[in-house]
Amino acid sequence: EAGVAQSPRYKIIEKRQSVAFWCNPISGHATLYWYQQILGQGPKLLIQFQNNGVVDDSQLPKDRFSAERLKGVDSTLKIQPAKLEDSAVYLCASSQGLSTSYGYTFGSGTRLTVV
Amino acid sequence: AQTVTQSQPEMSVQEAETVTLSCTYDTSESDYYLFWYKQPPSRQMILVIRQEAYKQQNATENRFSVNFQKAAKSFSLKISDSQLGDAAMYFCAYRSKGAQKLVFGQGTRLTINP
Repeated sequence: EAGVAQSPRYKIIEKRQSVAFWCNPISGHATLYWYQQILGQGPKLLIQFQNNGVVDDSQLPKDRFSAERLKGVDSTLKIQPAKLEDSAVYLCASSQGLSTSYGYTFGSGTRLTVV
Repeated sequence: AQTVTQSQPEMSVQEAETVTLSCTYDTSESDYYLFWYKQPPSRQMILVIRQEAYKQQNATENRFSVNFQKAAKSFSLKISDSQLGDAAMYFCAYRSKGAQKLVFGQGTRLTINP
């Protein structure tokens, strides 16, 4: 089966600019996650979708970050305006559903550098 | 809130030898899942092994095994017969049974010396 697809792979922007990341989960996976991984740290959950509804966005900086999953399939994560501290790898992952006891399938991430 | 701690930022081992990566966690829950993920330079997180807290038997996947000590809240990963392809960042992660969010540790960078 195809994996979790993410694009772009790399992005460099200046502070105060906006940026968007795209994720296409594994076909049939109802749950989609966006994680932020700052260099030298473990990933931190930003937002979790179940189909097209938000399950957990408690750690999403809502003043600058937004995410959507309009048709319950692919998703976009946007940052506007970007700050230097947003430099990180943004990982997307998906799982079959809320009841799964297994881990997720992760994409290869987008490395964002804010200068 | 649950926390996961990996106290070894870096580890190195000779090829074909055995290495153990440490992980401790803090939780008030009795039923949960624990995972070890491998992150190579490609950045994709790859599941190495999982453990269900209600199972006393330690999980094993080929050369990878865990030492799960529930009372001590410890979950270490042992890699036997280390191979060059094992070199990567390794993350320990916790998941509540009633939630989907994974809580990760800070990671351990594993180097394999030929």
